Amino acid sequence: AQSVTQPDIHITVSEGASLELRCNYSYGATPYLFWYVQSPGQGLQLLLKYFSGDTLVQGIKGFEAEFKRSQSSFDLRKPSVHWSDAAEYFCAVGASNYQLIWGAGTKLIIKP
Amino acid sequence: EAQVTQNPRYLITVTGKKLTVTCSQNMNHEYMSWYRQDPGLGLRQIYYSMNVEVTDKGDVPEGYKVSRKEKRNFPLILESPSPNQTSLYFCASSFQGVGNQPQHFGDGTRLSIL
Repeated sequence: AQSVTQPDIHITVSEGASLELRCNYSYGATPYLFWYVQSPGQGLQLLLKYFSGDTLVQGIKGFEAEFKRSQSSFDLRKPSVHWSDAAEYFCAVGASNYQLIWGAGTKLIIKP
Repeated sequence: EAQVTQNPRYLITVTGKKLTVTCSQNMNHEYMSWYRQDPGLGLRQIYYSMNVEVTDKGDVPEGYKVSRKEKRNFPLILESPSPNQTSLYFCASSFQGVGNQPQHFGDGTRLSIL
């Protein structure tokens, strides 16, 4: 069955430290992959997407993600987090033109 | 400004009292969708619409109705709300479909059904 797994429910990182959020997917075909961020009290905003080509994708707010087909992963990274990055992050796979498969989300907590 | 607008943002109501959550987008998008978000479950799709008068069920459609009479509007209707529909609801839109296109989300509607 198609699925998206974000193994970490919560992650705590010190301000200025690097960040990696993991995403693994199970999908038969070449996937379209997304990372969205949800700040408190707001809707989801697209951080970045992978459709094809270069497997290292740059997004907004200094985030990047790397698609690794052999590991079925699409991990999100940022070299140095800011307090404003505290939010919930969702990975998603484009299963069809009508639906995405969503991960359960990872809540990022920033320590001062 | 491009946006998806949901109303109301918050609503507390009682079991069985019909309610409608409105959603409007100003981007001339063909695709619109409703999601509910519950802790630990991520986003689950309720209904989606590929265009005017074209709607289809998502993963959790039971207890909900939608309509798409105009391109910009996609209201979510709870005919007889029950406590298990207490949740955070999001409306989203995209140009054509979602498989390879980003969605624009509203700010959410928090519903509490007592």
